Amino acid sequence: GAGVSQSPRYKVAKRGQDVALRCDPISGHVSLFWYQQALGQGPEFLTYFQNEAQLDKSGLPSDRFFAERPEGSVSTLKIQRTQQEDSAVYLCASSLVGVPSYGYTFGSGTRLTVV
Amino acid sequence: ELKVEQNPLFLSMQEGKNYTIYCNYSTTSDRLYWYRQDPGKSLESLFVLLSNGAVKQEGRLMASLDTKARLSTLHITAAVHDLSATYFCAVDNYGQNFVFGPGTRLSVLP
Repeated sequence: GAGVSQSPRYKVAKRGQDVALRCDPISGHVSLFWYQQALGQGPEFLTYFQNEAQLDKSGLPSDRFFAERPEGSVSTLKIQRTQQEDSAVYLCASSLVGVPSYGYTFGSGTRLTVV
Repeated sequence: ELKVEQNPLFLSMQEGKNYTIYCNYSTTSDRLYWYRQDPGKSLESLFVLLSNGAVKQEGRLMASLDTKARLSTLHITAAVHDLSATYFCAVDNYGQNFVFGPGTRLSVLP
């Protein structure tokens, strides 16, 4: 596609509910990153894929967070048993390879609100 | 651990005035990026600075990088209302990911 596409755009979840957030990277982009942006703060790194391999998951805040990219294209970020502190915008970015010199292309994000 | 700071965090300025936003970081890096974010929107890439002394300009914005001082500046010249947004700097973290600053929320008043 022309850009990074994320869905849903907005998600409201009741505390304890599981959610799945989807990211469609730019076609041909090998690397895919997930970031979490809490209200009024800068984005924070969650995890990084190169093709289907998850090379870095050091930013995932707890074992309730799980990400996958089984075929090396679309990625899903799953949050189990959501808590109020999970409320944030989840941003996906892709690049041709690694951390590119030209920077990332970010998607529009999914705004998750846990009530 | 790489840490990125920005100041000021909030900036209210009048149209036509000049101002500078500062971004400093804690460990060695030769790559720094500036992004703009409008309310409810995603991040828009503004500048990519890839070496010491790099300077980029686009319209009323100019960014520079001093890797020895671990400092980047974003200078605003003759501000206009359309520049109102939040500006983030991001530093390449050893090629693994980006570490973002907390952002500078800019309001340009008529």
